[in-house]
Amino acid sequence: AQRVTQPEKLLSVFKGAPVELKCNYSYSGSPELFWYVQYSRQRLQLLLRHISRESIKGFTADLNKGETSFHLKKPFAQEEDSAMYYCALVRGGKLIFGQGTELSVKP
Amino acid sequence: GAVVSQHPSRVICKSGTSVKIECRSLDFQATTMFWYRQFPKKSLMLMATSNEGSKATYEQGVEKDKFLINHASLTLSTLTVTSAHPEDSSFYICSARGGSTYEQYFGPGTRLTVT
Repeated sequence: AQRVTQPEKLLSVFKGAPVELKCNYSYSGSPELFWYVQYSRQRLQLLLRHISRESIKGFTADLNKGETSFHLKKPFAQEEDSAMYYCALVRGGKLIFGQGTELSVKP
Repeated sequence: GAVVSQHPSRVICKSGTSVKIECRSLDFQATTMFWYRQFPKKSLMLMATSNEGSKATYEQGVEKDKFLINHASLTLSTLTVTSAHPEDSSFYICSARGGSTYEQYFGPGTRLTVT
């Protein structure tokens, strides 16, 4: 079955520390993957898509087909990065979301 | 650009009544709209996919007679929760997609409370 797994429900780090939010997927074929972010009391918004290989707000994510992973990384976390992060996979034109990881960045 | 609105943002209704939630794409034509349900600090569960002018496609386990979806125009989709039950209390989120991209734009969500 095609699915997305985010193993960590909560990730808590101090400001300035590196962050890695894990995402693993199972998909037969070439996956199209996204990271979405939901700040407190705000709507879900797109953060990154793997095909564009961009860096947004200091975050990057590399698709590793060998490990079937698409981990989200940032070298120096900021307090304003605190939010829910969702990894998502396109399947049949629909987005399949992981369970989400709550990132808490402490001062 | 690419703004999606939902109305109402919050609604409280009594058990047994029906409630309608609207999802609008404000500045683009949404050929496809999606309805999700989200539990606190949990993932989004896709309920159904609606394409303008055709019947919605429901995900497994979602009752189509309970969650009526209408996508009558390229900018409006509605979700009607019929015979609401306290178990239907949740956060309902819509998203819209236009053109050939897979990118979806999300609405702010509607908090439904059934008493």
